Amino acid sequence: AQRVTQPEKLLSVFKGAPVELKCNYSYSGSPELFWYVQYSRQRLQLLLRHISRESIKGFTADLNKGETSFHLKKPFAQEEDSAMYYCALGGSNYKLTFGKGTLLTVNP
Amino acid sequence: DADVTQTPRNRITKTGKRIMLECSQTKGHDRMYWYRQDPGLGLRLIYYSFDVKDINKGEISDGYSVSRQAQAKFSLSLESAIPNQTALYFCATSEATGEAFFGQGTRLTVV
Repeated sequence: AQRVTQPEKLLSVFKGAPVELKCNYSYSGSPELFWYVQYSRQRLQLLLRHISRESIKGFTADLNKGETSFHLKKPFAQEEDSAMYYCALGGSNYKLTFGKGTLLTVNP
Repeated sequence: DADVTQTPRNRITKTGKRIMLECSQTKGHDRMYWYRQDPGLGLRLIYYSFDVKDINKGEISDGYSVSRQAQAKFSLSLESAIPNQTALYFCATSEATGEAFFGQGTRLTVV
């Protein structure tokens, strides 16, 4: 079974502080992992995916198969980063399973 | 980005009524999904379809049904709406590489 766990429902940081949003997954096959972001009153959109290994808006995420984690990090948070963040797992059949999300608030 | 379009955007309906939410896409993707979003529960998969002849239940399919009328259209029906089906519903499509594209969402209220 596919499972995604985001242990923090809420995360609040100050502008300029580092931020890390945690994601752990459970999957027996080779996972495809994504981070999606949902800004207020907008649709979900892809932030990044592990296979591309790119940095988007200063965010990075590294897949750690040993710890089955895919944590999202940014060294210096900005107010415009305030949003809901979802970690998602795509299995071999590409059925996407989402975590419950973490609401990030960046305070001025 | 209007590649995935949901109608209606908002709907208030009474308990026991039948309601259909529609989704159309111009992405050319075979895979389509219906999710519901609830505060604190994230996105939960209702149904998904990998092609026109393929329909699969997700984790919370009870009380819902779907129809894949064409590659571009995937509708979600609530046969007899109940208040705990009040939620924000999202349609999504994905390509073979797994990236999903979402519609704007349909806010459904069952009174």
